[in-house]
Amino acid sequence: GESVGLHLPTLSVQEGDNSIINCAYSNSASDYFIWYKQESGKGPQFIIDIRSNMDKRQGQRVTVLLNKTVKHLSLQIAATQPGDSAVYFCAETYGGATNKLIFGTGTLLAVQP
Amino acid sequence: NAGVMQNPRHLVRRRGQEARLRCSPMKGHSHVYWYRQLPEEGLKFMVYLQKENIIDESGMPKERFSAEFPKEGPSILRIQQVVRGDSAAYFCASSPSGGTTGNTIYFGEGSWLTVV
Repeated sequence: GESVGLHLPTLSVQEGDNSIINCAYSNSASDYFIWYKQESGKGPQFIIDIRSNMDKRQGQRVTVLLNKTVKHLSLQIAATQPGDSAVYFCAETYGGATNKLIFGTGTLLAVQP
Repeated sequence: NAGVMQNPRHLVRRRGQEARLRCSPMKGHSHVYWYRQLPEEGLKFMVYLQKENIIDESGMPKERFSAEFPKEGPSILRIQQVVRGDSAAYFCASSPSGGTTGNTIYFGEGSWLTVV
């Protein structure tokens, strides 16, 4: 059903620490996953993606881990910086020819200087 | 090197009026997607269009909402007889082709609709 406007889960970290943001996805048939960063008043910005035939993928300062057994996705950000403060969304999609993305509810990352 | 352009960025409408949101995809992109975001929620898929065709409108409300992507000009999301529950941010995204390639899906900065 529709979700009521709940407060976003918040992760508060110190500058320089590592951050881990978690996401539980809903469809066991999903085969492609993306993490987006959304700053206030802006559109989602692509961070990193992973396909279901992988369990780990690394980018610059970011790592995505996929556990298909428990339908869990995580985003690790190394040496978190103030500029990383934003809402982070995971998105899933499954097969087909459309880029119909199913977004999670988001996690607010607050980096303390 | 313009990205996905949306306008207006902010729109205020009275209940019962019409809202038109425009989206110009990135140069060379022929696939357009519209998503809606309510406060403190994730984006919800509404519709996927290619030039002159609606490919998937499974996320569109059955009434009052329509979308088009004409051969020439921007994609338009049209909301007739707006109600307060339509207040949200509407995001457009574009890609050069369909299929699951997330790093070629680019989102615009959104259009914030407020219904008073």
